Amino acid sequence: DSGVTQTPKHLITATGQRVTLRCSPRSGDLSVYWYQQSLDQGLQFLIHYYNGEERAKGNILERFSAQQFPDLHSELNLSSLELGDSALYFCASSVATGLHYEQYFGPGTRLTVT
Amino acid sequence: AQTVTQSQPEMSVQEAETVTLSCTYDTSENNYYLFWYKQPPSRQMILVIRQEAYKQQNATENRFSVNFQKAAKSFSLKISDSQLGDTAMYFCAFMKPGTASKLTFGTGTRLQVTL
Repeated sequence: DSGVTQTPKHLITATGQRVTLRCSPRSGDLSVYWYQQSLDQGLQFLIHYYNGEERAKGNILERFSAQQFPDLHSELNLSSLELGDSALYFCASSVATGLHYEQYFGPGTRLTVT
Repeated sequence: AQTVTQSQPEMSVQEAETVTLSCTYDTSENNYYLFWYKQPPSRQMILVIRQEAYKQQNATENRFSVNFQKAAKSFSLKISDSQLGDTAMYFCAFMKPGTASKLTFGTGTRLQVTL
């Protein structure tokens, strides 16, 4: 158990719909990262938040957005869903200070768009 | 931009034997971190080992060790005394430390440990 929690574990929804994925980082971690794992794209970085502020964006679609709240949990919002958005979405957290750069991953949310 | 290449899509090893997974990367950075993550059938991403580029000594974690060749931009993972529980996908990952320290992953190597 990494200490990072993600809900829900599984999500099945239809095209055009909107969903919200939730992540709670490890206690004390200020950084939250979102990654997408799909068969054709592999593991790709989406977005990084540090202590409530967006720090970096990767290959994140405009239909996707995220935020980190004052209690440090984060949500990834996916809208106007397409079949190709079906993937495993991971949240990872790290302390991100000094030499402690390890990222610890949550169990992931498997999204299926039908 | 950094790239990470894992040229072995699949590997197989017998229980108790040793196996080495390959990883190469491309970067112009001098200071960076390299990681190996394991993804078993449960799909959980588990950190196996970390190497700082400024350290010449290869990292070791129990049965797992790396061979880090900075000049060659090579970062292989050696698993000794392989166990059935080592069966998983293994991903090599690169990170440039800083305020936006994302992980860049390779495509993974599927390792099967057999009896």
